[in-house]
Amino acid sequence: KAGVTQTPRYLIKTRGQQVTLSCSPISGHRSVSWYQQTPGQGLQFLFEYFSETQRNKGNFPGRFSGRQFSNSRSEMNVSTLELGDSALYLCASSLNVGAEVAFFGQGTRLTVV
Amino acid sequence: AQTVTQSQPEMSVQEAETVTLSCTYDTSENNYYLFWYKQPPSRQMILVIRQEAYKQQNATENRFSVNFQKAAKSFSLKISDSQLGDTAMYFCAFMKHKSGSEKLVFGKGTKLTVNP
Repeated sequence: KAGVTQTPRYLIKTRGQQVTLSCSPISGHRSVSWYQQTPGQGLQFLFEYFSETQRNKGNFPGRFSGRQFSNSRSEMNVSTLELGDSALYLCASSLNVGAEVAFFGQGTRLTVV
Repeated sequence: AQTVTQSQPEMSVQEAETVTLSCTYDTSENNYYLFWYKQPPSRQMILVIRQEAYKQQNATENRFSVNFQKAAKSFSLKISDSQLGDTAMYFCAFMKHKSGSEKLVFGKGTKLTVNP
């Protein structure tokens, strides 16, 4: 069974641009969560989706948004990029809400210049 | 709100020896889950071990075991017979039980180096 797949693996963007990251969960998994990882702040929760509905949201500005499609694939979007958005963005999938085990992808490394 | 603290930013151990990574957490919840994740240079977060707070027995997975002290809110990871492949960042994480959310709260991590 394939694991969590995140695309692209690496991305370089300019300040002010927008970016879309993609996450395909493990087959059959319906819950997807996103995390931002930086050296200074560590791993911070962005948001969580289940059955195309956002169930939980972290403390990030409205420039960060996401969605989930009917096949459970998820995208996150960051608009008006800032230098501080440079980070590793990790996606995790779970079988269902309450499954209590999350499996992570390899992440997308975003660099804003 | 829950917080997770890992007080050891870096640790090193000789191959084949035993090392213990510390983690403390703060929560008012009674039922929850605790996890240790490993993140090697490949960046993928790999689940090492999981503990259910309502179970008194400490979880073990081959060379990995935990010392879960619920009253002290402590959750340390012991790695026995350390191997070079254990070199990685290790993150302690907390999840509420049956909360309708898979949200994980992570510590800042401990960088473990296994020396030959």
